[in-house]
Amino acid sequence: DGGITQSPKYLFRKEGQNVTLSCEQNLNHDAMYWYRQDPGQGLRLIYYSQIVNDFQKGDIAEGYSVSREKKESFPLTVTSAQKNPTAFYLCASSIVVRAPGELFFGEGSRLTVL
Amino acid sequence: GQQVMQIPQYQHVQEGEDFTTYCNSSTTLSNIQWYKQRPGGHPVFLIQLVKSGEVKKQKRLTFQFGEAKKNSSLHITATQTTDVGTYFCWGDSWGKLQFGAGTQVVVTP
Repeated sequence: DGGITQSPKYLFRKEGQNVTLSCEQNLNHDAMYWYRQDPGQGLRLIYYSQIVNDFQKGDIAEGYSVSREKKESFPLTVTSAQKNPTAFYLCASSIVVRAPGELFFGEGSRLTVL
Repeated sequence: GQQVMQIPQYQHVQEGEDFTTYCNSSTTLSNIQWYKQRPGGHPVFLIQLVKSGEVKKQKRLTFQFGEAKKNSSLHITATQTTDVGTYFCWGDSWGKLQFGAGTQVVVTP
């Protein structure tokens, strides 16, 4: 079945550590996105990528980094520079960014900083 | 910059009642999408509206795109407990993409 796989589902991190969240899709979509969701709040865009080896900052990119070396993969690194990293992270993909059509979401990764 | 505002933020509904949630943008949208996120889950696509004044129905859900393409609404009739969750609108302002903050719906049996 086609879809988006995020791992890990739950992650605990000590302050000062970097952590990388995995996102893999087999939908053959060009566009991929990372969103952050805080309790009771909407989704805020961290980064998005329209094509391999290219990505753009979203509204809250500070303290995060991404790479897009393969079409299927768009990992997100939460760096120690991110001041409040505890959140629910959602990866999504769409066919393209412009007039994207439906966004397909992974099941999310819940990061807790201890 | 562009902002997509959703109201209300919370909606408590008695089972069987109707309710409406609204999405308003400060700029014209090329299209708007609606998503539903169940508690503990991830957002799932419901519908996309593209044309000015467009109305689409999915069983008890009616979606509308405003004539000026700056607002949209989702109306649910005869609410059921399965309607519990948060409903988000997602606006595309010609390449600038933004989710509304969502309407959290609680249904009382």
